[in-house]
Amino acid sequence: DTEVTQTPKHLVMGMTNKKSLKCEQHMGHRAMYWYKQKAKKPPELMFVYSYEKLSINESVPSRFSPECPNSSLLNLHLHALQPEDSALYLCASSHAGTAYEQYFGPGTRLTVT
Amino acid sequence: DAKTTQPPSMDCAEGRAANLPCNHSTISGNEYVYWYRQIHSQGPQYIIHGLKNNETNEMASLIITEDRKSSTLILPHATLRDTAVYYCIVRARHGSGNTGKLIFGQGTTLQVKP
Repeated sequence: DTEVTQTPKHLVMGMTNKKSLKCEQHMGHRAMYWYKQKAKKPPELMFVYSYEKLSINESVPSRFSPECPNSSLLNLHLHALQPEDSALYLCASSHAGTAYEQYFGPGTRLTVT
Repeated sequence: DAKTTQPPSMDCAEGRAANLPCNHSTISGNEYVYWYRQIHSQGPQYIIHGLKNNETNEMASLIITEDRKSSTLILPHATLRDTAVYYCIVRARHGSGNTGKLIFGQGTTLQVKP
């Protein structure tokens, strides 16, 4: 199984809502990542988890809160987002020792109204 | 990290080889060349990577020049499904302590035409 799954596929939320994005992989990878991609732009790294511990936070606003409850799951909790946070949110995973060969999920298309 | 330069767009006829160039003239001795692609509305897909020898897998071939300052990704028989943005990324391939921070440039948009 070389698949990274993400739910939901699409999400529309208001600026006062709280929602969560979920990501799952069963490849035994111990590194997991969140990326943000705006339209017609390349993906930008947000967070890196290595062995379930947060290892990189790319100065992401606190309204985005990542969580890695176990080695297979990665969540991104969203609260008080702004319309400019509307984007495609991508999850990826890799073996911790080969962190540049990443497997990406299909993404969650987020719209903040 | 070494900077990469790619043409913004390329066309290729279906069934022909697609040759995507990448310049990385400031590459360091321990840095690998990685290629990813992103088909519209999907997540990026890892294609191949190499250090200095040419590499081939079921998806593509990677040719790296002897001085390692440039490389070419070759899709031997392009199909319409290969239409995508192709990203060339240069990173040092450390051990278990590496950060995994992939930095995507603007990439090359490859349009495969019938």
